Amino acid sequence: KAGVTQTPRYLIKTRGQQVTLSCSPISGHRSVSWYQQTPGQGLQFLFEYFSETQRNKGNFPGRFSGRQFSNSRSEMNVSTLELGDSALYLCASSLVGGGGQPQHFGDGTRLSIL
Amino acid sequence: AQRVTQPEKLLSVFKGAPVELKCNYSYSGSPELFWYVQYSRQRLQLLLRHISRESIKGFTADLNKGETSFHLKKPFAQEEDSAMYYCALSGNNAGNMLTFGGGTRLMVKP
Repeated sequence: KAGVTQTPRYLIKTRGQQVTLSCSPISGHRSVSWYQQTPGQGLQFLFEYFSETQRNKGNFPGRFSGRQFSNSRSEMNVSTLELGDSALYLCASSLVGGGGQPQHFGDGTRLSIL
Repeated sequence: AQRVTQPEKLLSVFKGAPVELKCNYSYSGSPELFWYVQYSRQRLQLLLRHISRESIKGFTADLNKGETSFHLKKPFAQEEDSAMYYCALSGNNAGNMLTFGGGTRLMVKP
């Protein structure tokens, strides 16, 4: 069974631009979560989607948004990029939507802002 | 609010020595606790969860609600255990939101 797939693997953008990252969960998984990883702040939760609905949201500004499609694939969008948005963005999927489920992570998308 | 603290950023031991990676948490309800591991050039993966009460790769972790701790232990470290270890908490809200600790890099020297 294929693992969580994130595209693209690397992105370079400039301040003020917007970016869309994509995540394909493991087949059959309906919950998709997004995390931001930086050297200073570590791993921080962005949001979780289950059955096309955002179920939880972390403490990030409204510039960060996401969505989930009927096939469970998810995208996250960051608008008006800032230098501080440079990070590794990880996607994780889990089989069901109950709390505390083991999550399967992708390799991440490394976003660099110039 | 929920919080996870891993006090050691780096832990260095010799092969065959016991290992204990510390994890303390703060949460008002009944948490689900996990240990995730990231080996060099691999993706983050689940090592174990407290609800399973199992030993994975010789590692065990016991949830101590009195001390709000979930320390990861292994009696005899192996070189292949060298990796980044993250303790994580999921609250009893509806959802899979994980709060991670800052991580501990374990180096096992030959």
